[in-house]
Amino acid sequence: GAVVSQHPSWVICKSGTSVKIECRSLDFQATTMFWYRQFPKQSLMLMATSNEGSKATYEQGVEKDKFLINHASLTLSTLTVTSAHPEDSSFYICSASGASGNAETQYFGPGTRLLVL
Amino acid sequence: EDQVTQSPEALRLQEGESSSLNCSYTVSGLRGLFWYRQDPGKGPEFLFTLYSAGEEKEKERLKATLTKKESFLHITAPKPEDSATYLCAVQVNQGAQKLVFGQGTRLTINP
Repeated sequence: GAVVSQHPSWVICKSGTSVKIECRSLDFQATTMFWYRQFPKQSLMLMATSNEGSKATYEQGVEKDKFLINHASLTLSTLTVTSAHPEDSSFYICSASGASGNAETQYFGPGTRLLVL
Repeated sequence: EDQVTQSPEALRLQEGESSSLNCSYTVSGLRGLFWYRQDPGKGPEFLFTLYSAGEEKEKERLKATLTKKESFLHITAPKPEDSATYLCAVQVNQGAQKLVFGQGTRLTINP
């Protein structure tokens, strides 16, 4: 139980294009979803928190117009990197919480590696 | 400011050599402390949640303990497949369910 998937697992795009990453909770309803970014050999950095049907809460220093988050249902959240640039290249990981019996534990997806050329 | 510090940064052990990883935390109010395992190029895998001092949890060769200031992840007779980065994170009482992560301990078990 408590499985989270992400799609795509990796993506290469040209500078200036937009990229959408999907995060799905497969076997539970996720009341809250989180988006993280991780640079090589560093820990996870929280970008934003989203609750189903409401606007995401962004961490300080994260541009909300650049990283668009939509949490349209209890099983799906999307992160869109708009007008991507090489400095946006990173490993993006989502997590979800709300699984019964362990409501506050975050379960992580496998991550999406983004490379912007 | 809520802070989490893990030590050591990296640890190499021989197969079967038991050891402990440390996670020290300074928070305004602890809601829960979480341990995750992360393999290279993958998302973190949930291991344990600890809520109060004195609590202990076990899973196979791993045992997590919690005091008011720190948590330990004890690994007994490790195997090469236990090699990974182990992440500690705390969730505080106030606000959203955010996790504050430590920098992780890279554990390598040599056969």
